[in-house]
Amino acid sequence: DQQVKQNSPSLSVQEGRISILNCDYTNSMFDYFLWYKKYPAEGPTFLISISSIKDKNEDGRFTVFLNKSAKHLSLHIVPSQPGDSAVYFCAASGTSYGKLTFGQGTILTVHP
Amino acid sequence: EPEVTQTPSHQVTQMGQEVILRCVPISNHLYFYWYRQILGQKVEFLVSFYNNEISEKSEIFDDQFSVERPDGSNFTLKIRSTKLEDSAMYFCASSEALGGGEQFFGPGTRLTVL
Repeated sequence: DQQVKQNSPSLSVQEGRISILNCDYTNSMFDYFLWYKKYPAEGPTFLISISSIKDKNEDGRFTVFLNKSAKHLSLHIVPSQPGDSAVYFCAASGTSYGKLTFGQGTILTVHP
Repeated sequence: EPEVTQTPSHQVTQMGQEVILRCVPISNHLYFYWYRQILGQKVEFLVSFYNNEISEKSEIFDDQFSVERPDGSNFTLKIRSTKLEDSAMYFCASSEALGGGEQFFGPGTRLTVL
């Protein structure tokens, strides 16, 4: 099931710089997209979401951009902090009963 | 802040045994989910549950799996006869609403089948 793909397994960024995490999807029925952050031995923690009727949503240091024509979304974190180091998952939901389809995750490392 | 809790944190069992994984969703949430993550793989949807019945289930969720909300607070996942390939992290999640309601995940139960 490759409906949601995160093609970069890892990303390394300097503290204070911007982190950009990317996600592509293939299912045009998806209408809601979410980003989750996960630390080892913990469950995914919700970060930010966007509906398909929008192209941008911002919450503090986190901004999600959605390009429906390209079936692409990205998460921008600025400025990046060492505490942001974690695995980031992109997830998508369609018209079913809330089922989330996840990407493979991107390991973000923010260096001091 | 309300959170989803799961017990046990780690369960070790012999192949063929039954296991029950327990979850307490956030109290005012109406929709409940189980997901699993096999080591090194994606988080995969298993089942969603609403109004005391299964709303949707994946191909993984075959006859050996069942879910139940035995009382007003617990939500359980039962695996009747475990297989080696059932070894994974199992996450419970809950949400207040569908179609835009973010799902809140518990810390997970690590299931090891020997």
